[in-house]
Amino acid sequence: DTGVSQDPRHKITKRGQNVTFRCDPISEHNRLYWYRQTLGQGPEFLTYFQNEAQLEKSRLLSDRFSAERPKGSFSTLEIQRTEQGDSAMYLCASSLVKSGLAEYNEQFFGPGTRLTVL
Amino acid sequence: AQSVTQPDIHITVSEGASLELRCNYSYGATPYLFWYVQSPGQGLQLLLKYFSGDTLVQGIKGFEAEFKRSQSSFNLRKPSVHWSDAAEYFCAVVGYNNNDMRFGAGTRLTVKP
Repeated sequence: DTGVSQDPRHKITKRGQNVTFRCDPISEHNRLYWYRQTLGQGPEFLTYFQNEAQLEKSRLLSDRFSAERPKGSFSTLEIQRTEQGDSAMYLCASSLVKSGLAEYNEQFFGPGTRLTVL
Repeated sequence: AQSVTQPDIHITVSEGASLELRCNYSYGATPYLFWYVQSPGQGLQLLLKYFSGDTLVQGIKGFEAEFKRSQSSFNLRKPSVHWSDAAEYFCAVVGYNNNDMRFGAGTRLTVKP
């Protein structure tokens, strides 16, 4: 078990550019989550996938944000036309949800991608 | 909608002293509650969680938390703090079958030698 990995760890971009982040979940995990964490705040939920299906995306911050998980394994988060307000840490988490179980399954977090928009 | 409040932005304690970090939540039903710790440059690590049953839950690294429904609180405690406990601590809440986990703003813990 290598844990959740994210790439890159740091990204500096100029305003107006597009950026894409990658998340590799724990291999057997079927759920994958994206969060944004701004300075001095806790993580803010953005979206999540069950396998390749994106089951919640209403919390994405704007239509400039999109996420994919095409084969139900790794996921990408893209931000188009970046703005300075997008500067934050973007966290990915994964969990294993077993159908029929009522208990919530623990989310395991990656180290995050820190985005700086100049 | 559920929400979490961590009233203390920053706490400083001496090494060996006891610690209590406060967390208050707002949720219409019985929530699932969590405490996470985040060290600089690291992801979030789960310390402990409460789903149901015994209201005093034990976690890793000697931490414990107590769920008090009447006070809508889930405070984190440790009897003797170590210098390595210095980090940011987040309380979080999620509803049953709800994937929208809500985090508090965090409490930064500084440990004095």
